[in-house]
Amino acid sequence: QQQVKQSPQSLIVQKGGISIINCAYENTAFDYFPWYQQFPGKGPALLIAIRPDVSEKKEGRFTISFNKSAKQFSLHIMDSQPGDSATYFCAASKSTLTFGKGTMLLVSP
Amino acid sequence: NAGVTQTPKFQVLKTGQSMTLQCAQDMNHNSMYWYRQDPGMGLRLIYYSASEGTTDKGEVPNGYNVSRLNKREFSLRLESAAPSQTSVYFCASSFKTGANTEAFFGQGTRLTVV
Repeated sequence: QQQVKQSPQSLIVQKGGISIINCAYENTAFDYFPWYQQFPGKGPALLIAIRPDVSEKKEGRFTISFNKSAKQFSLHIMDSQPGDSATYFCAASKSTLTFGKGTMLLVSP
Repeated sequence: NAGVTQTPKFQVLKTGQSMTLQCAQDMNHNSMYWYRQDPGMGLRLIYYSASEGTTDKGEVPNGYNVSRLNKREFSLRLESAAPSQTSVYFCASSFKTGANTEAFFGQGTRLTVV
């Protein structure tokens, strides 16, 4: 049973556009929802995270929107840049991280 | 400023061979993890150690064993490698398990079993 479902698998966005990646979770015991960014040949690195008691968190061009009743959360990347091209993983945690399958983002120049 | 260091970076094994993947962190973290990453599958937790002296199974523990050697080091052992264990393995560490704690990942070990 996949506890964290992520979509889309891949995404192509033009430079300056908005990238949106969605995730849905099953387990209502999850209490921490981070997003990780991974560049080729590197390990994932924390990008931004949210707790379920807030509906939105913004850090620079990156925003997490969280809908507790729908058990969904999403990552928005505003003014997407070629340097944002990477694989993005949503995750959910109670004690350990459960990851989605990842979204490969390509921002075209 | 090393963070999480994994060795080796690349390894080719024959089916049935054994090997140990090494991981060390220099951030004085209590918790350490081993994940495997396969195309289209995300990262799946193999084993973790919430604190020195404890280890627990994750989502995909079969075929693996772990040792928390001390607070810094957490090794992953494949006793009899199988082609299904071809993957990229990531070690990670965090101050503690649970919410509001960032996990730091190593650079990964790319393992091929032939």
